[in-house]
Amino acid sequence: DIQMTQSPSSLSASVGDRVTITCRASQGISNSLAWYQQKPGKAPKLLLYAASRLESGVPSRFSGSGSGTDYTLTISSLQPEDFATYYCQQYYSTPPTFGQGTKVEIK
Amino acid sequence: QVQLVQSGAEVKKPGASVKVSCKASGYTFTSYGISWVRQAPGQGLEWMGWISAYNGNTNYAQKLQGRVTMTTDTSTSTAYMELRSLRSDDTAVYYCARAARGRTTVTHFDYWGQGTLVTVSS
Repeated sequence: DIQMTQSPSSLSASVGDRVTITCRASQGISNSLAWYQQKPGKAPKLLLYAASRLESGVPSRFSGSGSGTDYTLTISSLQPEDFATYYCQQYYSTPPTFGQGTKVEIK
Repeated sequence: QVQLVQSGAEVKKPGASVKVSCKASGYTFTSYGISWVRQAPGQGLEWMGWISAYNGNTNYAQKLQGRVTMTTDTSTSTAYMELRSLRSDDTAVYYCARAARGRTTVTHFDYWGQGTLVTVSS
């Protein structure tokens, strides 16, 4: 199985901050990477797929980049509604696997 | 609009079985697979397996092989996940999720059910 490692596990940030979350795969995944946002008590919500493609309806302050084994999710200007936990997921090979999550908290 | 609506919370004793349903609407059910993902309290997301709504083919997580069965009923656009021989560490919220890339097992997930809490306790 491909292991996905996110960093940091948590971070504190203020409204308006630029936030970057990193996801590293244990082997190359050819941009087969998705990012999800999850709020407490809710299902995950797809933000980006194919490493950098924004899902319909997702604000443009979310962006993704990377290649090979290393990928990043960037929130250009953190908004109050963005405080949540973020997960990466590889779908290069089965089984699809998730990172352990990054909790974004209010500073 | 696409919706996945899951059945309600369950409380089960160790050793019992649970069957969770996921009713799909707003799209052609047989054009997409359904995966099941679970989340233990305070933990991350764990993929459990996938079923093709087109032909019923399945692909289960190795750790759950022999305990999990996924099925679909195309007449009602409903997917089911049954987990047997329940243990306390099966306590989790169980989600169904649509395979965004259609009929492939290797995919991301574009729509999710609301989740079903399964509690295993004596």
